[in-house]
Amino acid sequence: QKEVEQNSGPLSVPEGAIASLNCTYSDRGSQSFFWYRQYSGKSPELIMSIYSNGDKEDGRFTAQLNKASQYVSLLIRDSQPSDSATYLCAVKGRSGYSTLTFGKGTMLLVSP
Amino acid sequence: DAGITQSPRHKVTETGTPVTLRCHQTENHRYMYWYRQDPGHGLRLIHYSYGVKDTDKGEVSDGYSVSRSKTEDFLLTLESATSSQTSVYFCAISEPGPDTEAFFGQGTRLTVV
Repeated sequence: QKEVEQNSGPLSVPEGAIASLNCTYSDRGSQSFFWYRQYSGKSPELIMSIYSNGDKEDGRFTAQLNKASQYVSLLIRDSQPSDSATYLCAVKGRSGYSTLTFGKGTMLLVSP
Repeated sequence: DAGITQSPRHKVTETGTPVTLRCHQTENHRYMYWYRQDPGHGLRLIHYSYGVKDTDKGEVSDGYSVSRSKTEDFLLTLESATSSQTSVYFCAISEPGPDTEAFFGQGTRLTVV
């Protein structure tokens, strides 16, 4: 059974700080990694994807992947109150028929 | 929401009644998924489809069936609803392949009383 683990939080950071969200996964065959943001009562929204070891930056967001440690993280720089949401880590295997396995999500609270 | 429409958006039904949720996409994506989301459990895959009339079970498929007779429509049926199926149901779509992203519909909140 593939497992994706995240701290449930809440992770509380002040406005302007860096928020660091972490995720570990159990299946070494995992190929692709995604971060979704979900506001309360809304659907998950894709914010980042990463497929190879290292860092990937997109605006204020940086995804980091370490396949040897089976670890993926999301950094949010200059956090804003509008970033307050639940962040879902999702993992996909190598197979063309592979489906997404989600972690339970980390709630982020950014205080003004 | 990437051309994905779920209907109904909200439904209250009685235990033992059949319920069908519909997902309609305008993106012509080959893969379609049904997830349920519950507090403490996160998003869990119920069933998915990798083409017309091609479906497979996910992690929590008991009590659910699906059908896909057209590329654009994916139906989820609860043959006899139970209170444990009270949840928020999300449809998602993607292209095939490990490096493809999934996009979600708005969700359906189902309450079984």
